[in-house]
Amino acid sequence: QSALTQPRSVSGSPGQSVTISCTGTSSDVGGYNYVSWYQQHPGKAPKLMIYDVSKRPSGVPDRFSGSKSGNTASLTISGLQAEDEADYYCCSYAGSSVVFGGGTKLTVL
Amino acid sequence: EVQLVESGGGLVQPGGSLRLSCAASGFTFSDHYMDWVRQAPGKGLEWVGRTRNKANSYTTEYAASVKGRFTISRDDSKNSLYLQMNSLKTEDTAVYYCARVAVGALHFDYWGQGTLVTVSS
Repeated sequence: QSALTQPRSVSGSPGQSVTISCTGTSSDVGGYNYVSWYQQHPGKAPKLMIYDVSKRPSGVPDRFSGSKSGNTASLTISGLQAEDEADYYCCSYAGSSVVFGGGTKLTVL
Repeated sequence: EVQLVESGGGLVQPGGSLRLSCAASGFTFSDHYMDWVRQAPGKGLEWVGRTRNKANSYTTEYAASVKGRFTISRDDSKNSLYLQMNSLKTEDTAVYYCARVAVGALHFDYWGQGTLVTVSS
């Protein structure tokens, strides 16, 4: 199972919006509505931000939203804040396995 | 409060073995699938494998990179998850996280802080 494809880095200024893409195949992203997104700050464990493509756990700001079209899922962060600077990973169910994206480093300028 | 605490990491020579543990508390451990996810230094997350719950016969799944070398088990009476790692390779060097799979779902809602495994001669 190959890793999902994410851009290595994205950036934006405070208050702006950024979108991180996550491209897979019909065997993972495109085949199931089980895409999740995780935020990871340096030296910390990942934190769930979005699950089932577009659902937000309690406590996650509504500035974070998710969507999917075909084999590509997207995470959008609006109203960027300094604390959003982190690595973001997409993840998809793939039948009997799980596959992660390579990760995207978000820089808040 | 949900807590997952990994232990057992350390330095091991190539070809050696190591057993990681994950102690769970603050929730009904037996209800959940539990996974191991690893992260090599400076790299991204990589799924290692899963153990399902008793209702699903404790079946396991593994990533191709570890299949046949790693074994995931659990002891619901001790609220503990284990990862037995054999025939270790230098490329197995990583922080190993245990992660809880949300009930009736397929995402990780809680993660431990991880334990570092270094495979080196």
